[in-house]
Amino acid sequence: QKEVEQNSGPLSVPEGAIASLNCTYSDRGSQSFFWYRQYSGKSPELIMSIYSNGDKEDGRFTAQLNKASQYVSLLIRDSQPSDSATYLCAVNGESGTYKYIFGTGTRLKVLA
Amino acid sequence: GAGVSQTPSNKVTEKGKYVELRCDPISGHTALYWYRQSLGQGPEFLIYFQGTGAADDSGLPNDRFFAVRPEGSVSTLKIQRTERGDSAVYLCASSLTGLDGDTQYFGPGTRLTVL
Repeated sequence: QKEVEQNSGPLSVPEGAIASLNCTYSDRGSQSFFWYRQYSGKSPELIMSIYSNGDKEDGRFTAQLNKASQYVSLLIRDSQPSDSATYLCAVNGESGTYKYIFGTGTRLKVLA
Repeated sequence: GAGVSQTPSNKVTEKGKYVELRCDPISGHTALYWYRQSLGQGPEFLIYFQGTGAADDSGLPNDRFFAVRPEGSVSTLKIQRTERGDSAVYLCASSLTGLDGDTQYFGPGTRLTVL
């Protein structure tokens, strides 16, 4: 059973702080990794994708991937109250597969 | 451009009834996916279409669930003899090619409530 694990939270951080969201996955052959943000009652919205080991930065967001440790994280710098949402980690399988396996999500609360 | 659209946004039905949920993907996207999301959980894969054909329906929970995509665009998820446990948000996503690493874009979902 391929699994993606996330701490359900809530993770509370003060406004302006760095929020760190973590995800581990079980399928060592996984190649593609995605972070989605989901506001309550809304659909998932893509924040970042990452495919290679290391860091990938986009504005206030940085995704980090370590395939040896089967670990992917999302850092949000200068957190804003509008960042308060559930963050879903999604992993697809070995090369050529299309199915996303989602974690349960981490609920982030940014306190003003 | 227009994103993925789904109708209805909400559906309330009685146990044992038949329901159809519709998904209109992003124009030009060949791949279409259905997921189901229960409260407090991440989306769970149901079925994947590449063009008109169901390339993988391994996530459909049982034979009460069926989906079609006859012209390679709009898809309909059909649930027969609904049960209370079918209550969830049904999400549709589409992607350009369906190949490894392709980004999936989600629609707003249909919230199904089975009384």
